[in-house]
Amino acid sequence: ILNVEQSPQSLHVQEGDSTNFTCSFPSSNFYALHWYRWETAKSPEALFVMTLNGDEKKKGRISATLNTKEGYSYLYIKGSQPEDSATYLCASRIRIYNQGGKLIFGQGTELSVKP
Amino acid sequence: KAGVTQTPRYLIKTRGQQVTLSCSPISGHRSVSWYQQTPGQGLQFLFEYFSETQRNKGNFPGRFSGRQFSNSRSEMNVSTLELGDSALYLCASSLSPASETQYFGPGTRLLVL
Repeated sequence: ILNVEQSPQSLHVQEGDSTNFTCSFPSSNFYALHWYRWETAKSPEALFVMTLNGDEKKKGRISATLNTKEGYSYLYIKGSQPEDSATYLCASRIRIYNQGGKLIFGQGTELSVKP
Repeated sequence: KAGVTQTPRYLIKTRGQQVTLSCSPISGHRSVSWYQQTPGQGLQFLFEYFSETQRNKGNFPGRFSGRQFSNSRSEMNVSTLELGDSALYLCASSLSPASETQYFGPGTRLLVL
């Protein structure tokens, strides 16, 4: 069974706090690591796709790192704002033979930012 | 560019019935994936289609099936509905099945009574 684990399950922070989440994934047959933001009543929105060990991606106040050898990725939010409140999902795409593989999602980290 | 659209948005069915859900990908996207989201289970992969061929399938019973048409639109069918099939069904499209970003639709919320 290939599991993607995210921690913490939920997080409550004050506006202005910086925060980070962890995503653990199987390092064997790794193909790509995806991060999504899912706001209530909306569709999941893609944040990053990372493929190479040591990859770092940044989008505004949000950044992510990837370690494929040990099977983890961190998502950082600097200076959290109330509009950052959402569930953050990571998903690992595993390689299946010569195909692109399938996405396995973690349970998500629910972030709540209070003004 | 129009986003991924899914129809219907909401559906109520009874046990034993069947249901067909539709997904229209972003123009030019040829890969469509389907996911089921239930409370406590997270997003579970159902299947992925590319160029009218099913490339990958998740661990779901044979009651769940799908297909993709030549215009890349995809349908998902669930036969002999069970109460546990009540869920949000999301589809996502991408240019190809590789490491491309997937763009999600708004989902179809299915309630089985």
